[in-house]
Amino acid sequence: DARVTQTPRDKVTEMGQEVTMRCQPILGHNTVFWYRQTMMQGLELLAYFRNRAPLDDSGMPKDRFSAEMPDATLATLKIQPSEPRDSAVYFCASGLDQGLQFFGPGTRLTVL
Amino acid sequence: EDQVTQSPEALRLQEGESSSLNCSYTVSGLRGLFWYRQDPGKGPEFLFTLYSAGEEKEKERLKATLTKKESFLHITAPKPEDSATYLCAGLSGGYNKLIFGAGTRLAVHP
Repeated sequence: DARVTQTPRDKVTEMGQEVTMRCQPILGHNTVFWYRQTMMQGLELLAYFRNRAPLDDSGMPKDRFSAEMPDATLATLKIQPSEPRDSAVYFCASGLDQGLQFFGPGTRLTVL
Repeated sequence: EDQVTQSPEALRLQEGESSSLNCSYTVSGLRGLFWYRQDPGKGPEFLFTLYSAGEEKEKERLKATLTKKESFLHITAPKPEDSATYLCAGLSGGYNKLIFGAGTRLAVHP
């Protein structure tokens, strides 16, 4: 049963600390997306990779967020330094060029 | 600017009481309209994709329809297990980017 996996599932950290979230896309998928979901803003696209190349990171605060795909089986989202306003659920999704995206279970981040 | 708007924000139904959720969109060069279901503490789960006006798709008690300006998710004789947030998203013509609505929180009470 192929699915997107994300680690950690929950993360509590203090303001100023570095946070790294990891995602393993479904094998064979060539697109990977990072989203942030909050009650106020809903689902926001942060970054988008196709064939491991970043295509769009316009939704990401550039000064503190970074997203990479070191290889086809791993995508990372880093926040450094973290701030309380970064508290949210972060989802990774993967798919093929037709548009359908499959979502992971999310990482719930709490920054104190 | 591409936009997807869902209504109502929240809907409370009695078990067996049919209703519809609305998704209106302004997405340039729409390549597809997607419906997802999201349960608390989980990621969105794919339900349907619609590609052209007039298209309909069904799955159990759910039926999705598409016009040139909006999509509807019809729920027939809902059960408590249908309670979830339903998200719709338009796939922009520019590239592979889904524009999500804010969702409709559905609660079905026995």
